[in-house]
Amino acid sequence: KNQVEQSPQSLIILEGKNCTLQCNYTVSPFSNLRWYKQDTGRGPVSLTIMTFSENTKSNGRYTATLDADTKQSSLHITASQLSDSASYICVLGGNQGGKLIFGQGTELSVKP
Amino acid sequence: GAGVSQTPSNKVTEKGKYVELRCDPISGHTALYWYRQSLGQGPEFLIYFQGTGAADDSGLPNDRFFAVRPEGSVSTLKIQRTERGDSAVYLCASSQAGGYNEQFFGPGTRLTVL
Repeated sequence: KNQVEQSPQSLIILEGKNCTLQCNYTVSPFSNLRWYKQDTGRGPVSLTIMTFSENTKSNGRYTATLDADTKQSSLHITASQLSDSASYICVLGGNQGGKLIFGQGTELSVKP
Repeated sequence: GAGVSQTPSNKVTEKGKYVELRCDPISGHTALYWYRQSLGQGPEFLIYFQGTGAADDSGLPNDRFFAVRPEGSVSTLKIQRTERGDSAVYLCASSQAGGYNEQFFGPGTRLTVL
């Protein structure tokens, strides 16, 4: 069973619209939760990093939330742009050094 | 400054052959990571170096996989007797240290085993 589950698997939205991506995890304990953006054929790029004691973290049009009680996180994207089309991956960082545990990603497609 | 670089960008080999994948981390980054990403999946942890030593190699799938970082900078991932199931994108990342620090990823090496 995956330790990090993301939904939806894929999503299509129109340019300018907002969207929210979900992440449920079972990894415990963990020291941080991250969201990465991965363009096709590229390595992942970090969007946000939160410790388990933080509830929200913003980076421009990206806002991540974390509820450690329910073990859920979300990534909200506002005023989407065509360049937001990518895979968005929820990632857990444990207490064992730098090892990261990745979800399978949500494939976002922004259409004009 | 330069980011993480990986060579080759693509590697096609035949089943049973030996391959080496190279990673050049960001200068000054002491931590280096290898991940493997299959199509449609998130990256899967393989091994993590702190300096020259492997701090965590729990993700290596079997003894055909081995990685080195002899001088604490460049790292090489070595795969012996390749199998078709080894086909994937192999990603390298580096950070200033382990733990909470942001990991910067390279573009990956796409390995295809025929």
